[in-house]
Amino acid sequence: EPEVTQTPSHQVTQMGQEVILRCVPISNHLYFYWYRQILGQKVEFLVSFYNNEISEKSEIFDDQFSVERPDGSNFTLKIRSTKLEDSAMYFCASSEVNPTAGGELFFGEGSRLTVL
Amino acid sequence: KNQVEQSPQSLIILEGKNCTLQCNYTVSPFSNLRWYKQDTGRGPVSLTIMTFSENTKSNGRYTATLDADTKQSSLHITASQLSDSASYICVVSLHASGGSYIPTFGRGTSLIVHP
Repeated sequence: EPEVTQTPSHQVTQMGQEVILRCVPISNHLYFYWYRQILGQKVEFLVSFYNNEISEKSEIFDDQFSVERPDGSNFTLKIRSTKLEDSAMYFCASSEVNPTAGGELFFGEGSRLTVL
Repeated sequence: KNQVEQSPQSLIILEGKNCTLQCNYTVSPFSNLRWYKQDTGRGPVSLTIMTFSENTKSNGRYTATLDADTKQSSLHITASQLSDSASYICVVSLHASGGSYIPTFGRGTSLIVHP
């Protein structure tokens, strides 16, 4: 069964370092998303991406964050100059059909980021 | 402010018993509502999706209801199994201009099923 894959599964970094989290969405999906979940808290929407551009972003997704689809398969989240509060599980998701039209989101297993 | 409130925060039941989880929301304009199951340390997995016109939808032992007038949804789990132990998350999406998908997540209900 096709699935969304994320790497790394866990990354530990020093405060101020740059981090790139990678995602390979399901191959025929067109809509891509990043979410984060701070330990013990709810899942939070970060950004959605369609047709090679950001379609929506939340207040959390400030200039520190960027997304890119560098080739036909990868979807990356870059965090510049990480802060302690960036420590969280980051989930990538993709959908074939626009979720507002009922498309189902498929989530990856997550990348746990620990900022020391 | 668009909010999604879930109750109870946590629930412990015995294997084989039924349970109902609640979701109240203030998201407007409403597009659709999804229930997800999230196992510890894993990504959420979709259980059901409900649109404005749907009142009830079943997926195996899971039955979701929606009352768009009172902005309430419930997820009923029948004949619980140990594998049902997980966090159940209600996600309500805003109907945004241009078709953008803007979800608001609830905090989830942590369900523990004991043998």
